[in-house]
Amino acid sequence: QVQLVESGGGVVQPGGSLRLSCAGSGFAFRTYILHWVRQAPGKGLEWVASIRFDGNTKHYADSVKGRFSISRDNSRNTLNLQMSSLRAEDTAIYYCVKDQGTKYSLCMDVWGNGTTVTVS
Amino acid sequence: DIQLTQSPSFLSASVGDRVTITCRASQGFITYLAWYQQKPGKAPKLLIYAASTLQSGVPSRFSGSGSGTEFTLTISRLQPEDFATYYCQQLNNFPLTFGGGTKVEIK
Repeated sequence: QVQLVESGGGVVQPGGSLRLSCAGSGFAFRTYILHWVRQAPGKGLEWVASIRFDGNTKHYADSVKGRFSISRDNSRNTLNLQMSSLRAEDTAIYYCVKDQGTKYSLCMDVWGNGTTVTVS
Repeated sequence: DIQLTQSPSFLSASVGDRVTITCRASQGFITYLAWYQQKPGKAPKLLIYAASTLQSGVPSRFSGSGSGTEFTLTISRLQPEDFATYYCQQLNNFPLTFGGGTKVEIK
C-alpha cells in the first residue's frame, strides 16, 4: 500500500540542527510533488516546504526560509528536511506528505504518521 | 499570502445532524481548495479536493462546494466517527496555507 514513513525526529537544543527523512513506498515516488507540514503542540497545521517531482523547484514558508532545506533522492525513494538554527517555535510534529500533483500542487493525498521534533 | 478563515472554530452537534463549515479566502480566485479531517493523535486525512471532488473511499455524506473565495464543507448526517477537527487548505499559490481548523464535538 502507499506509505510514507518519517524518521530523524528528536530533542535538540536551540541553535542546533536535525535532519528528517521520509521513506516512500507503494507508489511512483519520482512522479509526485512532496511536502513537509508541521503541527505545533495543540495548534493547527502549517505548511513548511515543498519540492517538485524532479527536485528542481522548491518552496519554503517564510518562517523557515534560510534555515531549512528540502531535498529528495528519487533513486532511494527518500525525502529529506535539513533543519538548522532551530528555535523553540520549531517544536512540532513534522509530517511527510505526498501531493496528487506532479508539476503543480493539487491536494495532499497521503500523509505519514509524523516525527516529533522538540527544541529545548 | 492568501489567508483562510474558517468558521466556526468550534461547533457542538449531535449524531444525525447536518453540519456546515465555511472557509473564506482573503484574496484571489481559488481553484485548488482541499478539506482534511484530523482525529486526535492521528495524521490528517484528505476528504475533498478541487473544492468539490470527493476523495476515493470517503463516505458520500461529506460534500464540498463553493468557488472564488468562499467554500463550504457539509456533513449531511453526522456519524460518531466524524467528531474531529477539520481544516481547509488552498494550493493555488505559495505559500500554501491552511485554515485555523474547526473542531466538531459531541453535543
